Amino acid sequence: DVKVTQSSRYLVKRTGEKVFLECVQDMDHENMFWYRQDPGLGLRLIYFSYDVKMKEKGDIPEGYSVSREKKERFSLILESASTNQTSMYLCASSLKTLGQVNQPQHFGDGTRLSIL
Amino acid sequence: SQQGEEDPQALSIQEGENATMNCSYKTSINNLQWYRQNSGRGLVHLILIRSNEREKHSGRLRVTLDTSKKSSSLLITASRAADTASYFCATSTGNQFYFGTGTSLTVIP
Repeated sequence: DVKVTQSSRYLVKRTGEKVFLECVQDMDHENMFWYRQDPGLGLRLIYFSYDVKMKEKGDIPEGYSVSREKKERFSLILESASTNQTSMYLCASSLKTLGQVNQPQHFGDGTRLSIL
Repeated sequence: SQQGEEDPQALSIQEGENATMNCSYKTSINNLQWYRQNSGRGLVHLILIRSNEREKHSGRLRVTLDTSKKSSSLLITASRAADTASYFCATSTGNQFYFGTGTSLTVIP
């Protein structure tokens, strides 16, 4: 079974802090993703990575950066946390796209981040 | 935004009844996937339907896709209390996925 592990279930930080959210997958997946989930807005893609050291912006990258130094680990960084970044953050991984078919994404259980 | 939209936003049914959720999207797609999310947990993949398919079954799940109307539906037959969850459709272009806002399903025992 694929396991995607997010380092924290709950996290409380202060405005202006640099925040690191870590995600590790154990199935040698090429693709990894970071989403945020807010009520009424669904899931929105922040960044994704299709290979080590590769990254692409999603729909809402502002205020975030990512790092993928190893295939199994994808980190989301809030450079200077703000209250509007309070949200549920979900990490996912998948095999690379085959032809025109996107592979199912496997999700972690999320990190509920509060910025005070 | 290329985000899809599920309808209804919330649905409440009795155990044993069927539940139908709809998804509309905006652009051409390669395939469409349905996911489920239990409260406080991550999403779990349920089923994938390719753009050249019209219908697909998996256990108690039946998914249809109408690319001319840019819509899909998810039918859960003989619902159980354990089916209570939020359900999301996801469309994809290239490597990117676009998730809808979800349908919250409550199955009353």
